[in-house]
Amino acid sequence: DADVTQTPRNRIKKTGKRIMLECSQTKGHDRMYWYRQDPGLGLRLIYYSFDVKDINKGEISDGYSVSRQAQAKFSLSLESAIPNQTALYFCATSGQGANQPQHFGDGTRLSIL
Amino acid sequence: KNEVEQSPQNLTAQEGEFITINCSYSVGISALHWLQQHPGGGIVSLFMLSSGKKKHGRLIATINIQEKHSSLHITASHPRDSAVYICAVDSGGSNYKLTFGKGTLLTVNP
Repeated sequence: DADVTQTPRNRIKKTGKRIMLECSQTKGHDRMYWYRQDPGLGLRLIYYSFDVKDINKGEISDGYSVSRQAQAKFSLSLESAIPNQTALYFCATSGQGANQPQHFGDGTRLSIL
Repeated sequence: KNEVEQSPQNLTAQEGEFITINCSYSVGISALHWLQQHPGGGIVSLFMLSSGKKKHGRLIATINIQEKHSSLHITASHPRDSAVYICAVDSGGSNYKLTFGKGTLLTVNP
């Protein structure tokens, strides 16, 4: 089983719909992240959480919200999806402390029509 | 200007060739990461380094902090090495910030 699991793997939704992407991990890591990847651009950080009570905005948080339900679970929501949120979304985890490697899920391909 | 620049953007090689992918950055960093993204989309961390050189199998990563430059080398390349290789820098500090390059698409032909 994967250490970082994202669901769903693919989703197609219409504009204006609410969408939730889920991430769960079995690595026991405190730190979790949500990124989006667009063609021709590098990965960009949406939100991150260093523990259950900690939520921080990344560089592109507008239009998104997150929930850290438990150490192992970090969900990303699009309250009212728009076409320019079509992208590949990744969840990642890392251990505490400086300079830790990140462990990524397999990604969720999201298309907003 | 992107804080992390990778070159080349695309690279095609024949099986067995020695591969070099470069990464230059413009900010002070605490560590640099090399990641691999396969065609299916999944991302794997290859290396994290803050000085010198690391080796894992046929992969070697080097970093020159003074020149703000890192290279990823693949020896005896194989078609299964075909992937996007991504450089990312961690600027450290209390606020997390990992900045990613746009990636280098490597294709190794048999």
